Amino acid sequence: GNSVTQMEGPVTLSEEAFLTINCTYTATGYPSLFWYVQYPGEGLQLLLKATKADDKGSNKGFEATYRKETTSFHLEKGSVQVSDSAVYFCALSDRNDYKLSFGAGTTVTVRA
Amino acid sequence: GAGVSQTPSNKVTEKGKYVELRCDPISGHTALYWYRQSLGQGPEFLIYFQGTGAADDSGLPNDRFFAVRPEGSVSTLKIQRTERGDSAVYLCASSVSGRAGEQYFGPGTRLTVT
Repeated sequence: GNSVTQMEGPVTLSEEAFLTINCTYTATGYPSLFWYVQYPGEGLQLLLKATKADDKGSNKGFEATYRKETTSFHLEKGSVQVSDSAVYFCALSDRNDYKLSFGAGTTVTVRA
Repeated sequence: GAGVSQTPSNKVTEKGKYVELRCDPISGHTALYWYRQSLGQGPEFLIYFQGTGAADDSGLPNDRFFAVRPEGSVSTLKIQRTERGDSAVYLCASSVSGRAGEQYFGPGTRLTVT
């Protein structure tokens, strides 16, 4: 079956630091890959996505590249802000599927 | 416009009781999903509706869990004979197309079974 493994948290950073959250997956076929974010007190929001190998998803300064050879979709941001403090979830869906399979989430705290 | 709303936001119930959780999807979204998020975990799929019918209920953990969407809009997740292990945040999402990645999530209902 499908599964997602992401870096355990919590992660605490200073403002303007570089952020990487590792995510690897197991899936049959060619899944679509996603990063969702949950800000304090808010619902899950789609942050970015990539639907095929070598695609790069980007949004709000975050980037992730779909690496089929390493089955990875690591999230990066070059300079984090306090407002990036949130829980980040890596997720996948089979190409012909509607179900999302999520990782356990990584809590990120950015200090001023 | 209005997003996905869920009520109640918090529900505390005693073991063995029956509970109903409500989801109001975004207007015009034909697809609706329920997920369950236990503490420290990512959301887990429970059920998917396309219109009024449950297209996939393979994630429902057992027959104590049931969900309906009688008019193709509002959905209710029903849990009978609640157990402490049912304590979790129950998330609802909706989408126009049914495609993953186009799902808009509600804020969730936190269920605590004492």
